[in-house]
Amino acid sequence: GAGVSQSPSNKVTEKGKDVELRCDPISGHTALYWYRQSLGQGLEFLIYFQGNSAPDKSGLPSDRFSAERTGGSVSTLTIQRTQQEDSAVYLCASSDQPSEQYFGPGTRLTVT
Amino acid sequence: AQKVTQAQTEISVVEKEDVTLDCVYETRDTTYYLFWYKQPPSGELVFLIRRNSFDEQNEISGRYSWNFQKSTSSFNFTITASQVVDSAVYFCALSEADTGGFKTIFGAGTRLFVKA
Repeated sequence: GAGVSQSPSNKVTEKGKDVELRCDPISGHTALYWYRQSLGQGLEFLIYFQGNSAPDKSGLPSDRFSAERTGGSVSTLTIQRTQQEDSAVYLCASSDQPSEQYFGPGTRLTVT
Repeated sequence: AQKVTQAQTEISVVEKEDVTLDCVYETRDTTYYLFWYKQPPSGELVFLIRRNSFDEQNEISGRYSWNFQKSTSSFNFTITASQVVDSAVYFCALSEADTGGFKTIFGAGTRLFVKA
């Protein structure tokens, strides 16, 4: 079956612009996660959605970051007024329960 | 608060050597889950194993084995007879039941180089 997909795979944007990153989770997975991975670094938790519960936004680094999940499926991570330090690979994952997460290929964001 | 420490930033071994990747975690929860993931050079993370806090049995899967010790808050990963294809970054991770088990904190990762 289809895995987690993310789009775009690469995004180059100018400092100050807004960007939207999309994640399509595995069908039927109730949980969806966003992480950030800076070059050569570990994964930084950003946010997760679980079913109809309020999302856990505790990892979002600033109020320029927001995410939504529509219809319990597709999710969009939005970064407003991008800064150079936002450059990273943004990873999305989904899971059926608090178990193994299935990761997408990531979106590489470069802010110039 | 959750915390995962992988003190080894990089490890380099020669093929067929055994190698152990260390993971130490911190949690105040009595029920939690531990994970190992592999990130090969292609970039996509792959799940390797999950352990819950009630199960301290060690596990072996082929050349991979995991040693979970609650007394030292460690969940170490050993690769026996390493191969070049094992070269990757390996992440240890932790989630706590009191957050529903979903919020997952990852360690910084250990980059393993296996030379032929």
